[in-house]
Amino acid sequence: QVQLVQSETEVKKPGASVKVSCKASGNTFTGFFMHWVRQAPGQGLEWMGWINPKSGGTHYAQKFQGRVTMTRDTSISTLYMELSRLTSDDTAVYFCAREVRSSFDSWGQGTLLTVTS
Amino acid sequence: DIQLTQSPSFLSASVGDRVTITCRASQVISTSLAWYQQKPGKAPKLLIYAASTLQSGVPSRFSGSGSGAEFTLTINSLLPEDFATYYCQQFHSYPRYSFGQGTKLEI
Repeated sequence: QVQLVQSETEVKKPGASVKVSCKASGNTFTGFFMHWVRQAPGQGLEWMGWINPKSGGTHYAQKFQGRVTMTRDTSISTLYMELSRLTSDDTAVYFCAREVRSSFDSWGQGTLLTVTS
Repeated sequence: DIQLTQSPSFLSASVGDRVTITCRASQVISTSLAWYQQKPGKAPKLLIYAASTLQSGVPSRFSGSGSGAEFTLTINSLLPEDFATYYCQQFHSYPRYSFGQGTKLEI
């Protein structure tokens, strides 16, 4: 497994953007696809998309296309997830997770995003 | 997209019980299914992958079975720390990775 450490809590206004980071430990950063998953208060898990840290290739859930951008900086083993045009429905905990053997074996601790006017 | 439906959504049990959670897919997904445990305020934890393979470090009282479109997670001899919410997730429908709605296991 790998340790994934995410950025701290964010508070944003409607219409703004947020950029959440996820730093991976170890030297396997480019070896596995990385995903972003979110969880609204009291709700279930919602997959947002993946990034291939080696190539930078991405695929996003249709719901978020046009509003989400996933990037990475291989020099510092860090992923980023930027979400724009925020609304109150985007209030959630955002997780990064590593895909191994068709499962998410390592997760970040989560970043709480609150969207409020 | 493939839909996953877990049953029940809520399950009441006692320490020492054996419980089973079912996950049904809207189409055949082979054995491309994982199970997770999530406790309040924490990230999900991988329990089972490939429908029945126990993740390293997970106690053997957890087991998974099934293939095709119906899967089960069984927990034998419940311990207090097992009371949590459980999710299934499919990996068949590339590149999307939908989750079930969750099953909350309560005392």
